[in-house]
Amino acid sequence: DTAVSQTPKYLVTQMGNDKSIKCEQNLGHDTMYWYKQDSKKFLKIMFSYNNKELIINETVPNRFSPKSPDKAHLNLHINSLELGDSAVYFCASSQVGGYTFGSGTRLTVV
Amino acid sequence: QQQVKQSPQSLIVQKGGISIINCAYENTAFDYFPWYQQFPGKGPALLIAIRPDVSEKKEGRFTISFNKSAKQFSLHIMDSQPGDSATYFCAARVYQAGTALIFGKGTTLSVSS
Repeated sequence: DTAVSQTPKYLVTQMGNDKSIKCEQNLGHDTMYWYKQDSKKFLKIMFSYNNKELIINETVPNRFSPKSPDKAHLNLHINSLELGDSAVYFCASSQVGGYTFGSGTRLTVV
Repeated sequence: QQQVKQSPQSLIVQKGGISIINCAYENTAFDYFPWYQQFPGKGPALLIAIRPDVSEKKEGRFTISFNKSAKQFSLHIMDSQPGDSATYFCAARVYQAGTALIFGKGTTLSVSS
């Protein structure tokens, strides 16, 4: 049973399209996150939600909109995709210290 | 102040050798310092973590050394194996509900056989 699962694993799409990435955790954690890993492998926090409430919203274009329907799910919707959005996006969850990451969604914008 | 600086960027070690990766931080409010290991195509996985009231923590071949006064911490991998070849990230966090980990830029370790 995967602790933090993301779908899809790969996403190839054209510039200008809108796409969503879904994340679910079965660990009972209160907090969920979206991180972006660029081509140089740098991991940067984008958003965090604690009990469905937005806590962190880093300097991310407003084309990116997270949605947390419940504590176990955090989805990421991206409008008007640009070439620079190509990256690996990781969902993570945490509870008192331990952070668990999903296996990532590789987004390629062509 | 929110940065975590990691070095070296890449490291090549002979099988059986010791791999050492260093990190430094400025924010004294950081209270949790984990190391993550990432293999190609996978998500980062927690390797070992330490809190600032402890100077060293060992788990198997992996040891974290923590120097609070110097605001530095390091990962030592003893008896490095080819299977240890991966990217390693140090990270830090200020404890608060919803606080995210701040990551170093990563070190790519290659262990040659």
